[in-house]
Amino acid sequence: ELKVEQNPLFLSMQEGKNYTIYCNYSTTSDRLYWYRQDPGKSLESLFVLLSNGAVKQEGRLMASLDTKARLSTLHITAAVHDLSATYFCAVERNSGYALNFGKGTSLLVTP
Amino acid sequence: GAGVSQSPSNKVTEKGKDVELRCDPISGHTALYWYRQSLGQGLEFLIYFQGNSAPDKSGLPSDRFSAERTGGSVSTLTIQRTQQEDSAVYLCASSSGTGGVERRVRSYNEQFFGPGTRLTVL
Repeated sequence: ELKVEQNPLFLSMQEGKNYTIYCNYSTTSDRLYWYRQDPGKSLESLFVLLSNGAVKQEGRLMASLDTKARLSTLHITAAVHDLSATYFCAVERNSGYALNFGKGTSLLVTP
Repeated sequence: GAGVSQSPSNKVTEKGKDVELRCDPISGHTALYWYRQSLGQGLEFLIYFQGNSAPDKSGLPSDRFSAERTGGSVSTLTIQRTQQEDSAVYLCASSSGTGGVERRVRSYNEQFFGPGTRLTVL
């Protein structure tokens, strides 16, 4: 069974600081997705990572994928309050097309 | 519309009643997914449709749950004899589809999510 683990689950950080969220998964997959969820809202797609070594950047967020280590990272640079949200990584199953999600990282950026 | 829509946005029901949740995918998207989000379990996959058929129903938690999709578009998730543990936000997602049979040639599967239906079973 494909298990997806994120850490940390809760993260409080000051504006201007850098931090990394980690996503480990248990079986081979070369498709990994990062989503953002604001309170009471649905999921917004942030990044699609399709191959080993893939790196995507958007603003202060950068995501990478290492399929050999079964690890993806979401790096936050110089955090701002607007980044406060819950971030999910999701891995596509090899046996089909559904996504297995991590439990999410709840990020709070404070002044 | 431009995105995935779901109705109702909120549903409160009594234990033992049946409920139907509706999902309207993005126009032209052939793949449709149902997920459930609850505090205790996080985001769980329920069922996947490609066109009108459901090749993966492995996430449906019990035989009280069923889903159908008609015309390759709208999908309905039905929960019979609701229980309190069914309380959750039910999310629908769609994607443009999976193309060829072989994994290496199929297009990636970016899923776009609807706003969800919050189900409360009293």
